[in-house]
Amino acid sequence: ETGVTQTPRHLVMGMTNKKSLKCEQHLGHNAMYWYKQSAKKPLELMFVYSLEERVENNSVPSRFSPECPNSSHLFLHLHTLQPEDSALYLCASSHKSSGANVLTFGAGSRLTVL
Amino acid sequence: QKEVEQNSGPLSVPEGAIASLNCTYSDRGSQSFFWYRQYSGKSPELIMSIYSNGDKEDGRFTAQLNKASQYVSLLIRDSQPSDSATYLCAATREGAQKLVFGQGTRLTINP
Repeated sequence: ETGVTQTPRHLVMGMTNKKSLKCEQHLGHNAMYWYKQSAKKPLELMFVYSLEERVENNSVPSRFSPECPNSSHLFLHLHTLQPEDSALYLCASSHKSSGANVLTFGAGSRLTVL
Repeated sequence: QKEVEQNSGPLSVPEGAIASLNCTYSDRGSQSFFWYRQYSGKSPELIMSIYSNGDKEDGRFTAQLNKASQYVSLLIRDSQPSDSATYLCAATREGAQKLVFGQGTRLTINP
């Protein structure tokens, strides 16, 4: 247990469904991230929230919609996804401070889009 | 050009030998560098960070940084089968929140 909890761990959805991924961190961190991990590709940064404000949106399609209601919780709302969106979605958190940015990852949510 | 580049492997090393993992980066503004280990089906976990040129040792792990050559490496001494995993190299600019990852090198330690 890393202190970053993601649910659900596995999700299968059709292209017309709406679902959400949830992330919760118990580390007192003030920045949270969504990364996408596809086979044989580098981890892709999707969104960054710092002090509950979105500071990075890495050209992610609008069918992915993040929400950060407080510094401990992060959601990724999914709608009308495509099969190529099937991947492991990793949440991470860090303590924003000057210098390096050390991430703690959750276990991930494995998404399959049919 | 990829921002952070690693040989995807697989890299096979006999047990007890030194495993050497390499990484290059293209952004000269990168200041902080990290090695994450990811076991199959698990999330990445931080094993080493390095910020200045030279070597940094932590147990069996040594990270090496050469900013002039834009090169980072990770050495694992006395390799164990439990070291078999994918190793991810990552870089970031100082104060930035964007951590850029390489695609990872899959390492297999053979008993």
